[in-house]
Amino acid sequence: QVQLVQSGSELKKPGASVKVSCKASGYIFTNYGMNWVRQAPGQGLEWMGWINTNTGNPTYVQDFTGRFVFSLDTAVSTAFMQIFSLQADDTAVYYCTMGPYLDHWGQGTLVTVSS
Amino acid sequence: DVVMTQSPLSLPVTLGQPASMSCGSSQSLVSSDGNTYLSWFHQRPGQSPRRLINKVSERDSGVPDRISGSGSGTDFTLTISRVEAEDLGVYYCMQGTHWPYTFGQGTNLEIK
Repeated sequence: QVQLVQSGSELKKPGASVKVSCKASGYIFTNYGMNWVRQAPGQGLEWMGWINTNTGNPTYVQDFTGRFVFSLDTAVSTAFMQIFSLQADDTAVYYCTMGPYLDHWGQGTLVTVSS
Repeated sequence: DVVMTQSPLSLPVTLGQPASMSCGSSQSLVSSDGNTYLSWFHQRPGQSPRRLINKVSERDSGVPDRISGSGSGTDFTLTISRVEAEDLGVYYCMQGTHWPYTFGQGTNLEIK
């Protein structure tokens, strides 16, 4: 069965960076794109963009350009989402979700930005 | 961007009774390939979302048949014929026809 296992919670100071991992199993990793979704505390879901796991080409929604980077290590079927220059309003749960229409989701990674 | 509007935002229900919620889009979700990419997701408290319905009415594997999706164009509905305790939580609609994908603000299904 498809499983996406994300890395654990992170507590970071403003200005730092964070890298969230998402390890996939149960399917051929390069057959399906990987999406990233943000959920701020008590809020709804925001699609951040996706990465083509075949070519490595990322596509970002406008609000997530500049400080956000999607990457892959296809040898270990893992996708990464990195945030640079963290700000307080980056505090959120970040989900990886595979497939063109968000078929399966990881358990989420809470990133807290606080001084 | 396509704006997705859900109603109601809060839906108090009695277990065993039916429930229905709506999702509207600011543009038609009919794609150039003829499909309508409207999905429904369910999120229980403290859990990650799970997709229930894809392309308006196609139930995902393991989704009980008391949950159904319908609609066309810009107006869509999720219906639960008999609400069970496991159905409580927030339901989100999402459109995947136009870039970028966008979600509705969610409907919170709660016990009356």
